[in-house]
Amino acid sequence: EAQVTQNPRYLITVTGKKLTVTCSQNMNHEYMSWYRQDPGLGLRQIYYSMNVEVTDKGDVPEGYKVSRKEKRNFPLILESPSPNQTSLYFCASRTPGVGTEAFFGQGTRLTVV
Amino acid sequence: GEDVEQSLFLSVREGDSSVINCTYTDSSSTYLYWYKQEPGAGLQLLTYIFSNMDMKQDQRLTVLLNKKDKHLSLRIADTQTGDSAIYFCAEIPTSGTYKYIFGTGTRLKVLA
Repeated sequence: EAQVTQNPRYLITVTGKKLTVTCSQNMNHEYMSWYRQDPGLGLRQIYYSMNVEVTDKGDVPEGYKVSRKEKRNFPLILESPSPNQTSLYFCASRTPGVGTEAFFGQGTRLTVV
Repeated sequence: GEDVEQSLFLSVREGDSSVINCTYTDSSSTYLYWYKQEPGAGLQLLTYIFSNMDMKQDQRLTVLLNKKDKHLSLRIADTQTGDSAIYFCAEIPTSGTYKYIFGTGTRLKVLA
């Protein structure tokens, strides 16, 4: 089954404690992205990757890091989480081009206290 | 700049039609999309329209595109309680095909 898998689904952590949210896709997609979803703001892109070892900042990259060492995996790293990073996070993947469908993970609800 | 706007909430009675509206700013977008997010889930593609079309119909769904006004709408006929969800319109601008630009999302509530 074609899917994007994120882990964990829920996470409560304390300010400053490094964490990683994993994302894996089994569709051999070149493009992967991380978004955060906040009420009234829709989805905002954090980082994206167009292929292995090719990553770039999206609209709201501050406080986040990513890596793309393998095509299937695109982890999101919060080196020192802060309460303003409390949000719902989604990983997505797709093939390149203007007419391609994005496949989303189930989401990770992160609370930073 | 890139911006996609939607109203935040819509409430309809079961069996009525729902119309969700969206305005976008990038006239170069080739495709425009509607994604649906059910509670506790990720987004799933609902339908899309190519920019040289005015209308696309798919069972209960009708997408209307007014390129002159940069206005996109999604009509759901005979709305059911299972249609309750958040609906996002989105575009992939040709100026930056690496990302989708999503709207703010419209939360549709269907009353029984």
